[in-house]
Amino acid sequence: DVKVTQSSRYLVKRTGEKVFLECVQDMDHENMFWYRQDPGLGLRLIYFSYDVKMKEKGDIPEGYSVSREKKERFSLILESASTNQTSMYLCASTSPYNSPLHFGNGTRLTVT
Amino acid sequence: GEDVEQSLFLSVREGDSSVINCTYTDSSSTYLYWYKQEPGAGLQLLTYIFSNMDMKQDQRLTVLLNKKDKHLSLRIADTQTGDSAIYFCAESMTGRRALTFGSGTRLQVQP
Repeated sequence: DVKVTQSSRYLVKRTGEKVFLECVQDMDHENMFWYRQDPGLGLRLIYFSYDVKMKEKGDIPEGYSVSREKKERFSLILESASTNQTSMYLCASTSPYNSPLHFGNGTRLTVT
Repeated sequence: GEDVEQSLFLSVREGDSSVINCTYTDSSSTYLYWYKQEPGAGLQLLTYIFSNMDMKQDQRLTVLLNKKDKHLSLRIADTQTGDSAIYFCAESMTGRRALTFGSGTRLQVQP
C-alpha cells in the first residue's frame, strides 16, 4: 500500500513565523502535490512537483513556496504565516500523472 | 473555467440509497474520480471512471457518467452510518498534471 505521511496532524503558529509542512511518500512517485482544503471551497492546488528540484505553481501559490530536494520528500513553506493561511493542508502523490492521487492524513494549521 | 460543482449537503436514512451529483466543465476530461474523506482524515479513493465509459459498478457503488451533460453521479446502495463522510468528485484534464476537485458533498446518514 502507498503511504503518504505528513509530519504533523496539528500545528499552531503565530503570525509572521516561518512554517514548514513536511510530506514523505514511500512509493517512488514522481509527482507530489500540496492542496489546501477550506469548507465550501473544496481542495485548491497550491504547488506541485514532477521531479526532484522541479516545481510548478498551482492555482493559489501566493504566500507559499516549496522544496523538493529528494524524490520522496516534498515540503511546503509559509515564508511569513498569516491568519488567512489557517487551513487544512493535504499532501498527495502519484505516478504517472492522471493516475489516482494518494493522500496523507492532512495537517491542520492554525495561525494566530 | 475549470469548475467542478457539487451540492454541499445530503441527508439520507440508513438503508436508503444516496445519490451524490457532480458537474464538470472540461469536455476533454480523461478520468473522473470519487474520493471519500472521513473526519480528521485525508482523502481515500473510492472509485473512478474513464471518460469513454458511461457506467461503473463496484459492490454498493454505482458511478454514472453523462458526457453530453458533463454530469457525474455516485450512487451508494443500502447506505450505512459508516458512509457518513465528505465525498469529492475530481477530474483529470488533458495537459494538466493535477486533479481539479469539487467543493465536496457532506453525506449525513440518519439511523
